[in-house]
Amino acid sequence: AQSVAQPEDQVNVAEGNPLTVKCTYSVSGNPYLFWYVQYPNRGLQFLLKYITGDNLVKGSYGFEAEFNKSQTSFHLKKPSALVSDSALYFCAVRDPSSSNTGKLIFGQGTTLQVKP
Amino acid sequence: GAVVSQHPSRVICKSGTSVKIECRSLDFQATTMFWYRQFPKQSLMLMATSNEGSKATYEQGVEKDKFLINHASLTLSTLTVTSAHPEDSSFYICSARVPGTGHYTFGSGTRLTVV
Repeated sequence: AQSVAQPEDQVNVAEGNPLTVKCTYSVSGNPYLFWYVQYPNRGLQFLLKYITGDNLVKGSYGFEAEFNKSQTSFHLKKPSALVSDSALYFCAVRDPSSSNTGKLIFGQGTTLQVKP
Repeated sequence: GAVVSQHPSRVICKSGTSVKIECRSLDFQATTMFWYRQFPKQSLMLMATSNEGSKATYEQGVEKDKFLINHASLTLSTLTVTSAHPEDSSFYICSARVPGTGHYTFGSGTRLTVV
């Protein structure tokens, strides 16, 4: 069964410092991987995705993620954190070999706190 | 960009009544929409997949008679929580796959409180 793990419930960084939010996955076949951000009482906003191609994916708001097949990871990164980046971040996977529903499976979520 | 509009954003209802939540794709056609439930500071739990013109597919453990899903057109899917109880209080979010992009767009969510 496909699954996604975000090992950290919360990540704390100082503004201006680099940030990393970790994600590992388990799927059969090639994964489609996504990162979404959620602000309080709001839906999810798309940040970036990996389907194929370059392992380093650049997304919205200066975020990027690196697909590492050998480590089955897709960590989210940003070189310089902003206070406004504080939110709940979700990693998700869609198994393209699954049925044609194409549903996403989400990780547990990681709360990012950026302190001034 | 592709937008899914979800209404209402917030609803309070009495125990025993039914509540309907709507999701509309505004600038694209969504043959499939997904309905999620989210508890505070927790992940999204997929409840069901709605398919235009056919019956929804429910995840294991989700009561189909309790959570009625209708996907009558290519731009509208609805979730009706029937005979709501306080334990149904939650944040409900819909999502649709955006054609030609490989990614998914989400509604802004509905905070349901059953009193």
